[in-house]
Amino acid sequence: EPEVTQTPSHQVTQMGQEVILRCVPISNHLYFYWYRQILGQKVEFLVSFYNNEISEKSEIFDDQFSVERPDGSNFTLKIRSTKLEDSAMYFCASPGGISTDTQYFGPGTRLTVL
Amino acid sequence: DQQVKQNSPSLSVQEGRISILNCDYTNSMFDYFLWYKKYPAEGPTFLISISSIKDKNEDGRFTVFLNKSAKHLSLHIVPSQPGDSAVYFCAARTDSWGKLQFGAGTQVVVTP
Repeated sequence: EPEVTQTPSHQVTQMGQEVILRCVPISNHLYFYWYRQILGQKVEFLVSFYNNEISEKSEIFDDQFSVERPDGSNFTLKIRSTKLEDSAMYFCASPGGISTDTQYFGPGTRLTVL
Repeated sequence: DQQVKQNSPSLSVQEGRISILNCDYTNSMFDYFLWYKKYPAEGPTFLISISSIKDKNEDGRFTVFLNKSAKHLSLHIVPSQPGDSAVYFCAARTDSWGKLQFGAGTQVVVTP
């Protein structure tokens, strides 16, 4: 399976602090996605990013969230002022290989907001 | 807005037997369906997918069936193995490059 990498694997932060989650998607794909899973709940879509622009975002992705591509291969998800309810696993995903049909997920970053 | 539903939160099956996981959807615009397997504290791992123009897709021990008229799909795993114990998610999308919408997942436990 094509590999998507994420750092850090676990991030602990105080409420109100800013966090930046990082992802290196499968190369040569312009599409990129962020999802999250709150403990015990289903995986939820946050935002899709295409060619350096947000393509679609969910209602979860409010003004506290931003996504960037600081260089050619890395993507970041920033939460400006974390809340307790932001505690979740955050996954990035990108299409793999020639086909656009399958999104491959990274291992996730566990964000704990205290 | 639950457009993808997995109504069975858990399934227990004996090793060697068949596991059948079910998924229902409400959006007739979904054109592609995927099944993912997930272990705790890991990312979802792609298993198998099916286009809406097909009714069956098979890959090794995994077969996915799609019944468009019933808006229902199922994943068959045969024979089930202990390593199959995980949470299985059904997901669907409405267009290429589109977001995936996930069901709530089914916890599968394969017992010896």
